[in-house]
Amino acid sequence: SQQGEEDPQALSIQEGENATMNCSYKTSINNLQWYRQNSGRGLVHLILIRSNEREKHSGRLRVTLDTSKKSSSLLITASRAADTASYFCATDGSGYSTLTFGKGTMLLVSP
Amino acid sequence: GAVVSQHPSWVICKSGTSVKIECRSLDFQATTMFWYRQFPKQSLMLMATSNEGSKATYEQGVEKDKFLINHASLTLSTLTVTSAHPEDSSFYICSARGGTGGVLADTQYFGPGTRLTVL
Repeated sequence: SQQGEEDPQALSIQEGENATMNCSYKTSINNLQWYRQNSGRGLVHLILIRSNEREKHSGRLRVTLDTSKKSSSLLITASRAADTASYFCATDGSGYSTLTFGKGTMLLVSP
Repeated sequence: GAVVSQHPSWVICKSGTSVKIECRSLDFQATTMFWYRQFPKQSLMLMATSNEGSKATYEQGVEKDKFLINHASLTLSTLTVTSAHPEDSSFYICSARGGTGGVLADTQYFGPGTRLTVL
């Protein structure tokens, strides 16, 4: 069953603005991962944050994790039209196990 | 590194025929491969997990006789949709994870997906 729940379901912003997506989950995790999917394509791994980490950066991406609230956020700074895609969070419950995906956030970045 | 390919990218077939989809890890050995299906505007639903050399573990509600999975080598897993029907039309995505310990073990690397349309 799906564990991660992203919000918002869809987000529309202008180029240059920041985009923030949130993910909540229900059970304990070993790590949480964010993926991007362009329409009709496979998933691209963006970033992994372990349960003992609170924040991680990768280029224009910033991910936070609050295990006490069972939530994570993905911030994309200075967004570009090419960032238009669906973004999914996925939780790994016990390490080396299967991922459970949320429903995703559709991000539209307009030029 | 960590590239996963799928073949074919898309396939259209008649109802009743079987379709085989290949998933390959190109530059690493994948001890575990996963098969997902995704309906339009929905999230990924895990169908099964396969470990090299052993039988696949299917998620509840997934018919193992309909969706045959073979993981014969550390770089190749196949999904065969047997006697496909229109309701099997979907986007099928595989992912691969390598070894135990380290980044390759923690991260699933996804293939580009295969769009199956059954007429």
